[in-house]
Amino acid sequence: ETGVTQSPTHLIKTRGQQVTLRCSSQSGHNTVSWYQQALGQGPQFIFQYYREEENGRGNFPPRFSGLQFPNYSSELNVNALELDDSALYLCASSGGPQRYEQYFGPGTRLTVT
Amino acid sequence: GENVEQHPSTLSVQEGDSAVIKCTYSDSASNYFPWYKQELGKRPQLIIDIRSNVGEKKDQRIAVTLNKTAKHFSLHITETQPEDSAVYFCAASSGGGSNYKLTFGKGTLLTVNP
Repeated sequence: ETGVTQSPTHLIKTRGQQVTLRCSSQSGHNTVSWYQQALGQGPQFIFQYYREEENGRGNFPPRFSGLQFPNYSSELNVNALELDDSALYLCASSGGPQRYEQYFGPGTRLTVT
Repeated sequence: GENVEQHPSTLSVQEGDSAVIKCTYSDSASNYFPWYKQELGKRPQLIIDIRSNVGEKKDQRIAVTLNKTAKHFSLHITETQPEDSAVYFCAASSGGGSNYKLTFGKGTLLTVNP
Protein backbone atom coordinates (compact mmCIF):
# COMPACT_ATOMS: atom_id res chain seq x y z
CA GLU A 1 0.00 0.00 0.00
CA THR A 2 1.51 3.34 -1.05
CA GLY A 3 1.04 6.50 0.98
CA VAL A 4 -0.02 9.98 -0.09
CA THR A 5 2.59 11.83 -2.12
CA GLN A 6 2.81 15.48 -3.20
CA SER A 7 4.94 17.44 -5.62
CA PRO A 8 6.83 19.63 -5.66
CA THR A 9 8.25 19.80 -2.13
CA HIS A 10 9.05 23.48 -2.27
CA LEU A 11 8.10 26.25 -4.67
CA ILE A 12 8.92 29.93 -4.92
CA LYS A 13 6.67 32.14 -7.04
CA THR A 14 6.20 35.83 -7.65
CA ARG A 15 3.01 37.72 -6.82
CA GLY A 16 0.55 37.54 -9.71
CA GLN A 17 1.86 34.24 -11.06
CA GLN A 18 -0.03 30.96 -11.20
CA VAL A 19 0.92 27.66 -9.56
CA THR A 20 -0.13 24.00 -9.85
CA LEU A 21 0.41 21.56 -7.01
CA ARG A 22 -0.03 17.80 -7.35
CA CYS A 23 -1.19 15.02 -5.08
CA SER A 24 -1.35 11.26 -5.49
CA SER A 25 -3.83 9.60 -3.17
CA GLN A 26 -3.19 6.50 -1.13
CA SER A 27 -4.05 3.30 -2.97
CA GLY A 28 -7.67 2.31 -2.42
CA HIS A 29 -8.75 5.90 -1.67
CA ASN A 30 -11.11 7.82 -3.98
CA THR A 31 -11.36 11.18 -2.19
CA VAL A 32 -8.80 13.98 -1.99
CA SER A 33 -9.08 17.04 0.24
CA TRP A 34 -6.80 20.08 0.09
CA TYR A 35 -5.81 22.19 3.06
CA GLN A 36 -3.76 25.36 3.53
CA GLN A 37 -1.61 25.53 6.65
CA ALA A 38 -0.17 28.93 7.53
CA LEU A 39 2.78 29.02 9.90
CA GLY A 40 1.73 28.26 13.46
CA GLN A 41 -1.88 27.49 12.50
CA GLY A 42 -4.03 24.44 11.96
CA PRO A 43 -4.81 23.32 8.41
CA GLN A 44 -7.73 25.15 6.74
CA PHE A 45 -10.01 23.28 4.36
CA ILE A 46 -9.87 24.50 0.74
CA PHE A 47 -11.97 21.89 -1.10
CA GLN A 48 -12.56 18.20 -1.55
CA TYR A 49 -12.80 16.03 -4.67
CA TYR A 50 -14.71 12.77 -4.86
CA ARG A 51 -14.89 10.75 -8.09
CA GLU A 52 -13.61 13.72 -10.12
CA GLU A 53 -16.24 16.17 -8.81
CA GLU A 54 -15.83 18.98 -6.28
CA ASN A 55 -17.54 17.73 -3.14
CA GLY A 56 -17.40 20.68 -0.77
CA ARG A 57 -15.49 23.95 -0.58
CA GLY A 58 -14.14 26.08 2.24
CA ASN A 59 -13.90 29.84 2.44
CA PHE A 60 -11.39 30.35 -0.36
CA PRO A 61 -11.80 32.60 -3.44
CA PRO A 62 -12.43 31.20 -6.95
CA ARG A 63 -8.77 31.71 -7.91
CA PHE A 64 -8.22 28.48 -5.95
CA SER A 65 -9.39 25.67 -8.21
CA GLY A 66 -8.79 21.97 -8.54
CA LEU A 67 -9.10 18.81 -10.52
CA GLN A 68 -9.29 15.13 -9.80
CA PHE A 69 -8.26 12.54 -12.39
CA PRO A 70 -9.66 9.05 -13.07
CA ASN A 71 -6.81 7.52 -11.03
CA TYR A 72 -7.94 9.76 -8.10
CA SER A 73 -4.81 11.91 -8.15
CA SER A 74 -5.52 15.62 -7.86
CA GLU A 75 -4.23 19.09 -8.68
CA LEU A 76 -4.61 22.37 -6.85
CA ASN A 77 -4.30 25.48 -9.01
CA VAL A 78 -3.91 28.96 -7.62
CA ASN A 79 -4.11 31.97 -9.96
CA ALA A 80 -3.01 35.55 -9.35
CA LEU A 81 -0.85 34.61 -6.39
CA GLU A 82 -0.83 36.94 -3.40
CA LEU A 83 1.76 37.23 -0.64
CA ASP A 84 -0.76 35.74 1.85
CA ASP A 85 -0.89 32.56 -0.23
CA SER A 86 2.51 31.64 1.20
CA ALA A 87 1.83 28.51 3.24
CA LEU A 88 2.17 24.75 3.42
CA TYR A 89 -0.39 23.11 1.14
CA LEU A 90 -1.46 19.69 2.27
CA CYS A 91 -3.57 17.14 0.53
CA ALA A 92 -5.29 14.30 2.35
CA SER A 93 -6.77 11.16 0.89
CA SER A 94 -9.68 9.18 2.24
CA GLY A 95 -12.39 6.83 1.09
CA GLY A 96 -10.90 3.52 2.07
CA PRO A 97 -12.63 1.00 4.36
CA GLN A 98 -12.68 3.66 7.12
CA ARG A 99 -13.89 6.31 4.69
CA TYR A 100 -13.84 9.20 7.14
CA GLU A 101 -10.15 8.82 8.04
CA GLN A 102 -7.97 11.34 6.19
CA TYR A 103 -4.27 10.68 5.62
CA PHE A 104 -2.04 13.59 4.76
CA GLY A 105 0.75 13.93 2.26
CA PRO A 106 4.03 15.65 3.15
CA GLY A 107 2.87 18.98 1.76
CA THR A 108 4.17 21.58 -0.66
CA ARG A 109 5.77 24.65 0.86
CA LEU A 110 4.79 27.63 -1.33
CA THR A 111 6.55 30.95 -0.92
CA VAL A 112 5.18 33.98 -2.77
CA THR A 113 7.54 36.95 -3.08
CA GLY B 1 -19.83 27.04 10.02
CA GLU B 2 -17.96 24.88 12.48
CA ASN B 3 -15.53 26.49 14.94
CA VAL B 4 -13.03 24.48 16.98
CA GLU B 5 -11.24 25.93 19.99
CA GLN B 6 -8.19 24.14 21.41
CA HIS B 7 -6.44 24.59 24.76
CA PRO B 8 -3.77 24.99 25.91
CA SER B 9 -1.66 26.40 23.10
CA THR B 10 1.51 25.14 24.80
CA LEU B 11 2.00 22.35 27.33
CA SER B 12 5.21 21.29 29.02
CA VAL B 13 5.38 18.09 31.08
CA GLN B 14 8.02 15.89 32.63
CA GLU B 15 8.68 12.50 31.09
CA GLY B 16 6.32 9.95 32.59
CA ASP B 17 3.63 12.50 33.45
CA SER B 18 0.23 12.67 31.74
CA ALA B 19 -0.83 15.33 29.25
CA VAL B 20 -4.36 16.47 28.49
CA ILE B 21 -5.44 18.65 25.57
CA LYS B 22 -9.01 19.93 25.32
CA CYS B 23 -11.14 21.05 22.39
CA THR B 24 -14.62 22.46 22.02
CA TYR B 25 -16.72 22.59 18.87
CA SER B 26 -19.71 24.65 17.87
CA ASP B 27 -21.68 22.58 15.35
CA SER B 28 -23.92 20.06 17.10
CA ALA B 29 -24.09 18.10 13.82
CA SER B 30 -20.37 17.24 14.04
CA ASN B 31 -19.95 13.49 14.29
CA TYR B 32 -16.28 12.69 13.75
CA PHE B 33 -13.34 13.92 15.85
CA PRO B 34 -9.77 13.00 14.84
CA TRP B 35 -6.51 14.00 16.50
CA TYR B 36 -3.32 14.60 14.53
CA LYS B 37 0.29 14.81 15.63
CA GLN B 38 2.62 17.00 13.58
CA GLU B 39 6.35 16.96 14.17
CA LEU B 40 8.43 19.87 12.90
CA GLY B 41 8.60 19.81 9.12
CA LYS B 42 6.51 16.65 8.86
CA ARG B 43 2.98 15.84 7.72
CA PRO B 44 0.08 15.68 10.22
CA GLN B 45 -0.26 12.08 11.36
CA LEU B 46 -3.61 10.64 12.43
CA ILE B 47 -3.09 9.19 15.92
CA ILE B 48 -6.61 8.50 17.16
CA ASP B 49 -10.18 9.39 16.31
CA ILE B 50 -13.65 9.02 17.77
CA ARG B 51 -17.12 9.04 16.33
CA SER B 52 -20.12 10.64 17.98
CA ASN B 53 -21.74 7.32 18.92
CA VAL B 54 -18.81 6.53 21.25
CA GLY B 55 -17.85 8.30 24.49
CA GLU B 56 -14.28 7.09 24.87
CA LYS B 57 -11.63 5.32 22.85
CA LYS B 58 -8.20 4.12 23.92
CA ASP B 59 -5.11 3.01 22.04
CA GLN B 60 -2.20 2.08 24.27
CA ARG B 61 -1.03 5.31 25.96
CA ILE B 62 -3.47 7.53 24.07
CA ALA B 63 -7.16 8.01 24.81
CA VAL B 64 -9.84 10.36 23.57
CA THR B 65 -13.07 11.26 25.37
CA LEU B 66 -16.13 12.94 23.88
CA ASN B 67 -18.94 14.80 25.64
CA LYS B 68 -21.59 15.51 23.02
CA THR B 69 -23.82 17.44 25.40
CA ALA B 70 -21.08 19.89 26.30
CA LYS B 71 -19.60 19.73 22.78
CA HIS B 72 -16.08 19.06 23.92
CA PHE B 73 -13.51 16.32 23.46
CA SER B 74 -10.11 15.69 24.94
CA LEU B 75 -6.87 13.87 24.20
CA HIS B 76 -5.14 12.11 27.06
CA ILE B 77 -1.55 10.87 26.80
CA THR B 78 -0.22 8.82 29.70
CA GLU B 79 3.40 7.97 30.55
CA THR B 80 4.67 10.65 28.20
CA GLN B 81 7.98 10.15 26.42
CA PRO B 82 10.29 12.68 24.74
CA GLU B 83 9.20 11.37 21.33
CA ASP B 84 5.65 12.54 22.14
CA SER B 85 6.92 16.12 21.75
CA ALA B 86 5.10 17.65 18.77
CA VAL B 87 2.18 19.89 17.83
CA TYR B 88 -1.17 18.19 18.34
CA PHE B 89 -4.28 19.26 16.44
CA CYS B 90 -7.86 18.36 17.14
CA ALA B 91 -10.47 18.50 14.39
CA ALA B 92 -14.20 18.11 13.95
CA SER B 93 -16.30 17.09 10.98
CA SER B 94 -20.01 17.03 10.28
CA GLY B 95 -19.83 15.23 6.98
CA GLY B 96 -21.53 12.12 5.78
CA GLY B 97 -21.00 9.66 2.98
CA SER B 98 -17.69 10.64 1.38
CA ASN B 99 -17.82 14.27 2.47
CA TYR B 100 -15.80 14.78 5.62
CA LYS B 101 -14.51 18.35 5.74
CA LEU B 102 -12.24 18.75 8.76
CA THR B 103 -12.19 21.95 10.82
CA PHE B 104 -9.01 22.13 12.89
CA GLY B 105 -8.09 23.76 16.15
CA LYS B 106 -5.02 25.99 16.29
CA GLY B 107 -2.83 23.31 17.82
CA THR B 108 -1.04 22.54 21.08
CA LEU B 109 2.74 22.44 21.26
CA LEU B 110 3.55 19.60 23.66
CA THR B 111 7.06 19.45 25.08
CA VAL B 112 8.07 16.39 27.11
CA ASN B 113 11.17 17.11 29.17
CA PRO B 114 13.45 14.14 29.89
